[in-house]
Amino acid sequence: GAGVSQSPRYKVAKRGQDVALRCDPISGHVSLFWYQQALGQGPEFLTYFQNEAQLDKSGLPSDRFFAERPEGSVSTLKIQRTQQEDSAVYLCASSLAAFGPQHFGDGTRLSIL
Amino acid sequence: GQQLNQSPQSMFIQEGEDVSMNCTSSSIFNTWLWYKQDPGEGPVLLIALYKAGELTSNGRLTAQFGITRKDSFLNISASIPSDVGIYFCAGPLLIQGAQKLVFGQGTRLTINP
Repeated sequence: GAGVSQSPRYKVAKRGQDVALRCDPISGHVSLFWYQQALGQGPEFLTYFQNEAQLDKSGLPSDRFFAERPEGSVSTLKIQRTQQEDSAVYLCASSLAAFGPQHFGDGTRLSIL
Repeated sequence: GQQLNQSPQSMFIQEGEDVSMNCTSSSIFNTWLWYKQDPGEGPVLLIALYKAGELTSNGRLTAQFGITRKDSFLNISASIPSDVGIYFCAGPLLIQGAQKLVFGQGTRLTINP
């Protein structure tokens, strides 16, 4: 497709389960960002990849959060031992160049019961 | 950390009215961005401002980059039903190899029938 694609669109998990969220960036986009958006708030930065290299992970809230982009295209955000406070919309954005405009996917809405 | 404060938090208007919202920061930004987010979708870039004092239009939308570089406003003229949504201001902050976006908490626009 032409835009950033995220899957699944919705994910419900029980507290303590592990989840994996996928992001397919726009083809050819070097930069990939993950953001977390809590209900009623703006998105907050989690981590950044330039190709396959994770250059900044300062926004990851705990060591239960892990992201990878092994081949420099698709990225996965994994959350281990989920907790209720992890419930949020997780947005992925990509850009052609590091300082170019970021294009957002529609997000994965994660609900932890 | 950096925070962007948006006001008002919500607006209830009649179709056809003009809308004005603003965003302030305690720190200087060299770029101001305005996004719109519809329910269940990711943010979409409306207007980008790159120079202090700059006034930029995109159809019925007009945005200005404050002279102090610490504020910006967005105006929507002659509102229509599809303008309903949440409007976010955002500013880029330098991270290793790229720029992450810092978002305000949003202004929710509702149009009364």
